[in-house]
Order: sequence, then C-alpha cells, then structure tokens
Amino acid sequence: NAGVTQTPKFQVLKTGQSMTLQCAQDMNHNSMYWYRQDPGMGLRLIYYSASEGTTDKGEVPNGYNVSRLNKREFSLRLESAAPSQTSVYFCASSEVTAGGLYNSPLHFGNGTRLTVT
Amino acid sequence: GQQVMQIPQYQHVQEGEDFTTYCNSSTTLSNIQWYKQRPGGHPVFLIQLVKSGEVKKQKRLTFQFGEAKKNSSLHITATQTTDVGTYFCHGGSQGNLIFGKGTKLSVKP
Repeated sequence: NAGVTQTPKFQVLKTGQSMTLQCAQDMNHNSMYWYRQDPGMGLRLIYYSASEGTTDKGEVPNGYNVSRLNKREFSLRLESAAPSQTSVYFCASSEVTAGGLYNSPLHFGNGTRLTVT
Repeated sequence: GQQVMQIPQYQHVQEGEDFTTYCNSSTTLSNIQWYKQRPGGHPVFLIQLVKSGEVKKQKRLTFQFGEAKKNSSLHITATQTTDVGTYFCHGGSQGNLIFGKGTKLSVKP
C-alpha cells in the first residue's frame, strides 16, 4: 500500500523555468492538498481539492496552479519559478467523513525538495 | 483571520524529562489534530480531538482539548530519543485549515 506518492523527490530550477509536481494517492480519498514547508513557517496550504472536479485556494496560492486530474491525482504547477518558491512541498489526502472536510486526518507524501536559483 | 499559535518553538530536554507543547487559536475550532514530523520526514497523524474538554492518551502521550475549544496541549511523559522531531497542531474550522508553526523537540540521551 503506497499511500501518497510524490514525484520528483528533488528538483533544481532556474528562475523563470516551469515545472509540475505530481501527486497520486491510492487510498480512494476524496480530498487532496498541497502544502509548502519553510523553516520557521510551519506548513502552509497552497491549494486544496475537496472533491474531484473542485479546487480552492489556500493560504499562499500566488505563483501556483493546480489540476485535479482524477480522484487519484492532484498536480501543482509553477509557471515561472522564483527563488521565493524554494521550499519543501508536501501533498496530502484525506477521506471526507460525515464530520466534513475539517474533521479528516491528513495523510502526507514524502515531499519534493525544490530549489530555485 | 484565524490564527493558530504554538509554543514553545523549540524545546531541549534530557532523556526522561517531560515535555509539553501548547496550541492556541484565536477562534473556536471544530476539532484539533496533532502530527509528528521526524527530521527529514513527512508529518504523520497522531490523533484528533473533537469534544470540548476531551483528553486522549497514547502510551506516554497525553492530548487535551480545552473547554472552549480554542486551545490544546500535547504532553509527553519521560521523553525518549525516539520522541525527537517537530510536533504540529492543526486546527480545523469552516473556511480554514491552519497548522501551528510547530514545536521542535530535541532529546539529549
């Protein structure tokens, strides 16, 4: 049982380059999320998808786009990378219960370590 | 907007000492979750608290949710080197999904 799989594990980009971070989950979860983690800043939500076909902005969406390709896959795209986007990116998924989106534990992938020079 | 403050930011303890991290929200939470992240790893879900005044235990870990559902704490009794990592609270309420900035625990053997 792989859980949440993120690719790539590491990436170095030059300013202005674009790339897509891939995420897939095999737990049949409805909801998926993208977070970034920076030293001293904790985990900040970039975008989330409560269910297939919907996406919503989180706390720090600027400079990013997302696509919920199907129930399993949720990708994050950087159209024109900037040094401020150097970070560790985590994808997560959750099963939405009767309690709603906010009552569902998150399952995280192993992360993508991105450096923008 | 909603804020979730977590203190302390760092805690250094001798093995065998107790450890507590606190999480405080500016608004009432529908629930609170706690996660642990080992160095170089990803956050792993520990527990969820939903009811006002709820207390849950996992071996040496005790989790509490305040009566007003605005604060929570994680207490570790007799820390071990395996407890090293960063502990995050995650407060949920309508329209917001907010992580605290975490408490980084180091344990000296």
